[in-house]
Amino acid sequence: DGGITQSPKYLFRKEGQNVTLSCEQNLNHDAMYWYRQDPGQGLRLIYYSQIVNDFQKGDIAEGYSVSREKKESFPLTVTSAQKNPTAFYLCASSMWTSAIRGTDTQYFGPGTRLTVL
Amino acid sequence: AQTVTQSQPEMSVQEAETVTLSCTYDTSESDYYLFWYKQPPSRQMILVIRQEAYKQQNATENRFSVNFQKAAKSFSLKISDSQLGDAAMYFCAYRTRRDSNYQLIWGAGTKLIIKP
Repeated sequence: DGGITQSPKYLFRKEGQNVTLSCEQNLNHDAMYWYRQDPGQGLRLIYYSQIVNDFQKGDIAEGYSVSREKKESFPLTVTSAQKNPTAFYLCASSMWTSAIRGTDTQYFGPGTRLTVL
Repeated sequence: AQTVTQSQPEMSVQEAETVTLSCTYDTSESDYYLFWYKQPPSRQMILVIRQEAYKQQNATENRFSVNFQKAAKSFSLKISDSQLGDAAMYFCAYRTRRDSNYQLIWGAGTKLIIKP
């Protein structure tokens, strides 16, 4: 079955520790995205990547880092510089097209709940 | 900058009845997409329906339909014959074109409660 997987489902971080969230897709999608969701709020974009070895900052990139070494994988590292990392993190992917009317529907993984101890 | 507003933090409906969720947006663009996503208690985000701004016909997916009013910048979701499985957070999203990339702008969500 094609889809997006995220691991782990729950993650606990100690103060000053870096942690990495995994996101893998087998949909052959070009673009991948990381969002953060806080209670009572919509999603906020952290980073996105259109192609391998390229990625762009979203609205709240400070304290986060990403890599895109393979088309299928887009891991997110939450660094110690992120002062309030407790949140729900969602990964998404979509087919990329530069056509004005190209489809860009984003499909989501099941998410990772990160808690700072 | 584009914004998306969902003015109803919570809505409730009796099972089998119809409910409409509101969404308004602000943009100066003429070409864009609008989406409704559903987030059930499992928290996985699921696409419900998509509307292309250049199409005048309202999108429909089974029991889900939209009322797209481009001039009023309104994009409401109608759920007919509500079922218990429809209980979820519903998010409206706008696809902008920023820096030659397509990104989604999200509303804060509406919690839908289905009463048996």
